[in-house]
Amino acid sequence: GAGVSQSPSNKVTEKGKDVELRCDPISGHTALYWYRQRLGQGLEFLIYFQGNSAPDKSGLPSDRFSAERTGESVSTLTIQRTQQEDSAVYLCASSPQSTENYGYTFGSGTRLTVV
Amino acid sequence: GNSVTQMEGPVTLSEEAFLTINCTYTATGYPSLFWYVQYPGEGLQLLLKATKADDKGSNKGFEATYRKETTSFHLEKGSVQVSDSAVYFCALLWARQLTFGSGTQLTVLP
Repeated sequence: GAGVSQSPSNKVTEKGKDVELRCDPISGHTALYWYRQRLGQGLEFLIYFQGNSAPDKSGLPSDRFSAERTGESVSTLTIQRTQQEDSAVYLCASSPQSTENYGYTFGSGTRLTVV
Repeated sequence: GNSVTQMEGPVTLSEEAFLTINCTYTATGYPSLFWYVQYPGEGLQLLLKATKADDKGSNKGFEATYRKETTSFHLEKGSVQVSDSAVYFCALLWARQLTFGSGTQLTVLP
């Protein structure tokens, strides 16, 4: 597609439930990032994919968080046993492999609310 | 590790005022530098970028110059408009990792 697409745009879930967030990057972009933005705070790095592998998972806040990417395309971020502190906007970004200096294109995010 | 420090907000200006949002960085190499903007209810958008020292990025009347000697990338605009009200994020890119500042809320009053 023309841009980075994320779904759902909004998700309200009960504490303790699992959620899956989806990111469709720009076609041909091999690098994919997940970030989290809590209310009133800056962006927090979660995980980075180069192709289908994740060389940097250092930002995942706990083992309840996991992510995968298939076909060098769609990525899914899964949060198990959600907690209220997981409430945030989850942002996905993608970039072409060879353009270190290009900057990333962001999706509009998924607003997750844990009640 | 790498880090970005930007001016804390919120910043409130009258229309046509001059804007400066300070940004300094710490990096182990020679990163690329960016300003992103997030308008109310929208996603992050790339505003401008600079990939090496002394480069000036510019877009929509905004400018920022990559200053290696002061490790800074301050955002400026000569005359702000109400439509510039948004959150502005300074960021650096190094070894494929993008590091953001905490964001500066700008409100421009008519």
